[in-house]
Amino acid sequence: GENVEQHPSTLSVQEGDSAVIKCTYSDSASNYFPWYKQELGKRPQLIIDIRSNVGEKKDQRIAVTLNKTAKHFSLHITETQPEDSAVYFCAPQSGAGSYQLTFGKGTKLSVIP
Amino acid sequence: GAVVSQHPSRVICKSGTSVKIECRSLDFQATTMFWYRQFPKQSLMLMATSNEGSKATYEQGVEKDKFLINHASLTLSTLTVTSAHPEDSSFYICSARVTGFGQPQHFGDGTRLSIL
Repeated sequence: GENVEQHPSTLSVQEGDSAVIKCTYSDSASNYFPWYKQELGKRPQLIIDIRSNVGEKKDQRIAVTLNKTAKHFSLHITETQPEDSAVYFCAPQSGAGSYQLTFGKGTKLSVIP
Repeated sequence: GAVVSQHPSRVICKSGTSVKIECRSLDFQATTMFWYRQFPKQSLMLMATSNEGSKATYEQGVEKDKFLINHASLTLSTLTVTSAHPEDSSFYICSARVTGFGQPQHFGDGTRLSIL
């Protein structure tokens, strides 16, 4: 099965600074790489995703970069705001079968006003 | 956008009770749905993959006789926790995806199960 490592587990940044979270995976057949944001007691929400034929994708303050050779992808949040505080999960999708997601352990991001 | 509805949102019941949780895809057909369990301050752990018209595929360590999954239609999957005990208390979340390469999973709002 897929092994997923996510770092750091906690991250505190000052409002306005940037935050970067990295995810490494083991299955070279993985071909879809989403990032989810989860607020306490709520469902995970997809914030950005990237497919294996693209190296970088940006959506306003959020970007994802993919290095398929090294098997890692990263979430970048610029100009952080207090409402960005949440737990973020990477969840690479297997490239075959049911296309299930394997979630990383999560990163708790705290943005300090 | 794709919407997944999950009910109930909260269940509190006595030990030994069986609890059924429903997961519906409201505006798309989902041949595959997924059931996750999330304990406090932990990640989502896949319990099983639910396939329409066939038996669910359970992850290692998940008891299929305790967590019954039925996926009778392209828009509905149910998870029944049979004879629930306090250690089954958790946040259960379903998701569904549109068939095809690189399609995202859409999550329900989750069910907070508390067994007394």
